[in-house]
Amino acid sequence: GESVGLHLPTLSVQEGDNSIINCAYSNSASDYFIWYKQESGKGPQFIIDIRSNMDKRQGQRVTVLLNKTVKHLSLQIAATQPGDSAVYFCAENSGTYKYIFGTGTRLKVLA
Amino acid sequence: EAQVTQNPRYLITVTGKKLTVTCSQNMNHEYMSWYRQDPGLGLRQIYYSMNVEVTDKGDVPEGYKVSRKEKRNFPLILESPSPNQTSLYFCASWGTGKRETQYFGPGTRLLVL
Repeated sequence: GESVGLHLPTLSVQEGDNSIINCAYSNSASDYFIWYKQESGKGPQFIIDIRSNMDKRQGQRVTVLLNKTVKHLSLQIAATQPGDSAVYFCAENSGTYKYIFGTGTRLKVLA
Repeated sequence: EAQVTQNPRYLITVTGKKLTVTCSQNMNHEYMSWYRQDPGLGLRQIYYSMNVEVTDKGDVPEGYKVSRKEKRNFPLILESPSPNQTSLYFCASWGTGKRETQYFGPGTRLLVL
C-alpha cells in the first residue's frame, strides 16, 4: 500500500480498547479543527470536526476534545476495531482559505 | 455518489517530460486545491482555486501550474518535472472556503526519474 509517512509516531492498541490520538496545533488564531483518517492507498477521509466555541464533540464511536489554552486537540475512538487501523491527522483553519495539516499518527489495532 | 476523482493514480515519468494530473469533483464545490504529501511532512498546499478562473499559490507552488476553466475540473500541470517532485498528490474540494471540511481524491503517486 501507499506509504504515508515513514517516521510517523505509532499507537498500538488491542482490539476493543479505546484509542486516544493527540495533536498539537500551531496557530492560536485557528478556530476550526478537523480530524481525518487516511487508510493505505486512499485519500484522507473526514471523521469529525469541532469549532473553537466548543470543548468537546461526539460522533459515532469518536470524540474530539479541544483545549485552546494549550493548543491541543485529541481524538478518542471507543472500542477500537481492526478497520480503524490507519493514519490519523488533524487540520486547523483560522477562517482563511488555508488549512494547516499535522503529520499524523499511525494507529495499529492488534487482534 | 459525491466524490473527487484523480487520474492517473500512478505515474512514472522522466525529468523534463510535461505531464498533467486531472482532478474532477461532482459536488458543485467552488473551492479546489492541490496538495503534496511527503514522508514526515503534513499535507502541503501547492495551489488552490476559489472559483472558475481564480487561482492562487499555496505554500509550495514552484514547478507547478494549474487552471480552472470549468467549476468541476482543476488539473495540475508539471511543465518540466524534476525528481524532487516525486511525491503523493491529492486534490481536494470544498464548498464555501472557510471553516469546513475538504473532500479528498484518492491520490496520485508520481515518480520522476
